[in-house]
Formats: sequence, C-alpha cells, structure tokens
Amino acid sequence: EVQLVESGGGLVQPGGSLRLSCAASGFTFSSHPMHWVRQAPGKGLEYVSAITSDGGSAYYANSVQGRFTISRDNSKNTLYLQMGSLRAEDMAVYYCAREVNSGPPDYWGQGTLVTVSS
Amino acid sequence: DIQMTQSPSTLSASVGDRVTITCRASQSISSWLAWYQQKPGKAPKLLIYKASSLQSGVPSRFSGSGSGTEFTLTISSLQPDDFATYYCQQYNTHSWWTFGQGTKVEIK
Repeated sequence: EVQLVESGGGLVQPGGSLRLSCAASGFTFSSHPMHWVRQAPGKGLEYVSAITSDGGSAYYANSVQGRFTISRDNSKNTLYLQMGSLRAEDMAVYYCAREVNSGPPDYWGQGTLVTVSS
Repeated sequence: DIQMTQSPSTLSASVGDRVTITCRASQSISSWLAWYQQKPGKAPKLLIYKASSLQSGVPSRFSGSGSGTEFTLTISSLQPDDFATYYCQQYNTHSWWTFGQGTKVEIK
C-alpha cells in the first residue's frame, strides 16, 4: 500500500525556519518525482515545489523561490522541504504528493500544518 | 503561469442530479488536465487525468471532457459521498502546474 506521511509542521515565528519531512513507503520512491503542495486555511491548492526522481533538478513557485529548498534522500525514502524566512502567507497545510508518468500526483499524504505567527 | 478558472464557485444540487463543472485555461493545455475531489480535512483525491481518463477505483459516474482551453467534469447521478470541493489542475509540460480555485458542491 502506498503511504506518504508528512511531519515537521508546527508553530514558527515570522522570519523563522522549519523543515518538513515526508516518509514514503509501499512503492519504489526513487522512481518518482515528488511534489509539495500547500493549502492555506479555507483556500485553494498551490504547488510549492517539485523534485525529479534522482534529486538532480528542483523547481519552485515564484512565491517561495529563494526561501524554500526541496530535497530527497532516496536511501531513506524521504522527501524534505526546508522553509526559511517564513511569512504569514506561508501558513498552510503542506502536502507531499507522488507524481507518476509525468502526470498529476496520484497519491498524497495527510498533510502537516505550518502556522506562522508571533 | 497558466491561470485556471472554474465555474461555478458553489453549486447546490440534490442526490441523483446530473452535475457539470467547467474549467477554463488561460492558454491551451492540450489535454493535460486533471480533476481532484477534496473533502474537509482530507487530502485531494485524483478523479480524472488527461482530461477524460478515469483514475483507477473512481466510480464511472464521474467523467471528464474537453481539450485546449475548455474542460468539464460531469457527475452523472450525484451521490451522498460526492458532496465535496472539486479542483481542476493543469499539468502542461514546461509550465508551472496550477489549480483552479475550486467548486464546492453542496446539498440543495
């Protein structure tokens, strides 16, 4: 069974940092590009970042470029999102999601909530 | 970025109704369009990919159509489990992937 389990969310002050993790199981993690998607409270969905299956290339939304870093450890079947210079508008539930065959993500984690507040 | 616009934003319907949601892209995305269902507090669930292909395990009452810039999601006979918010999403190659703003399907 495919499983994606996010962790690392919590309360952080504006300007602070946080690292999210996504533990994958039930599939060959190293074969799939992965994504981070976020959803602000009561709002829609927004792609934040993506990484190729080998970790060689990473992509970012303009809204987080230069502040967030996506990475992965295929030996640990884990995806990461290092978030820095956090702003109130970064407050959201962050989901990791699996891409398959260059298509839309078919499996998503349950999400982890990031709260940015002083 | 490619802008995705859904209509309506909210839809009130009864069990058994035929429901149609429209999604428009700001430029052609061929058939690189997906539909997701999301329930409160849950992750999105993939329903349709490549505009009209049904994801494995999704009931056949869901169908998608369209290409280029105009797409529709149809639920042929609305069931109690279908009350949720629906999002379209484009995944055009060489473009940043984007979602529509969502359509909430409510009980009439």
